[in-house]
Amino acid sequence: DGGITQSPKYLFRKEGQNVTLSCEQNLNHDAMYWYRQDPGQGLRLIYYSQIVNDFQKGDIAEGYSVSREKKESFPLTVTSAQKNPTAFYLCASSPSETVDSYEQYFGPGTRLTVT
Amino acid sequence: AQSVAQPEDQVNVAEGNPLTVKCTYSVSGNPYLFWYVQYPNRGLQFLLKYITGDNLVKGSYGFEAEFNKSQTSFHLKKPSALVSDSALYFCAVRTFSGSARQLTFGSGTQLTVLP
Repeated sequence: DGGITQSPKYLFRKEGQNVTLSCEQNLNHDAMYWYRQDPGQGLRLIYYSQIVNDFQKGDIAEGYSVSREKKESFPLTVTSAQKNPTAFYLCASSPSETVDSYEQYFGPGTRLTVT
Repeated sequence: AQSVAQPEDQVNVAEGNPLTVKCTYSVSGNPYLFWYVQYPNRGLQFLLKYITGDNLVKGSYGFEAEFNKSQTSFHLKKPSALVSDSALYFCAVRTFSGSARQLTFGSGTQLTVLP
């Protein structure tokens, strides 16, 4: 899982509550990503950030929000507007465009259950 | 649109036999291709990548992948499977959104190695 930490590993919330998932990296990577994983659907991109104080919507951003105030941190908030929030959430990072390396490095994931 | 497809949801192989996990891609321009592995309730681990050069790419844990441009394929292989290779495998391709460095993932293939 490299130098990326996600907390907590398991998270339980009641429907209607916002919840924030933590993602921290010590790899000095510029870019960070949030994915959602559902069975049989692979990974879908929620939000990504290439640099501090900047982020972009991915394919399924509705009902989610992010911030990037520090290079090493990229928290994801799952809002009450997300209609089906129960899923496994994965955070990833990658080096800057100037580095000849294109793979992403993943954290261990947070399993969110909303009832 | 750039994409990858993993045509098999499930692959079963006996321990000691060779294994192949299939991936086909659709990209404009030169493809940057990746394989990742995921163990239960864990993040994704990078196995190998093809950027340019030799069509046979060697990666972690004895895995290799063959890039075939004419068949637009990037199949993952291992000469002799281990029970511990049982996991979920994802193929991915670099995609572009402006200058952002993103990966698009296939739906995953569950590999089961039978003792």
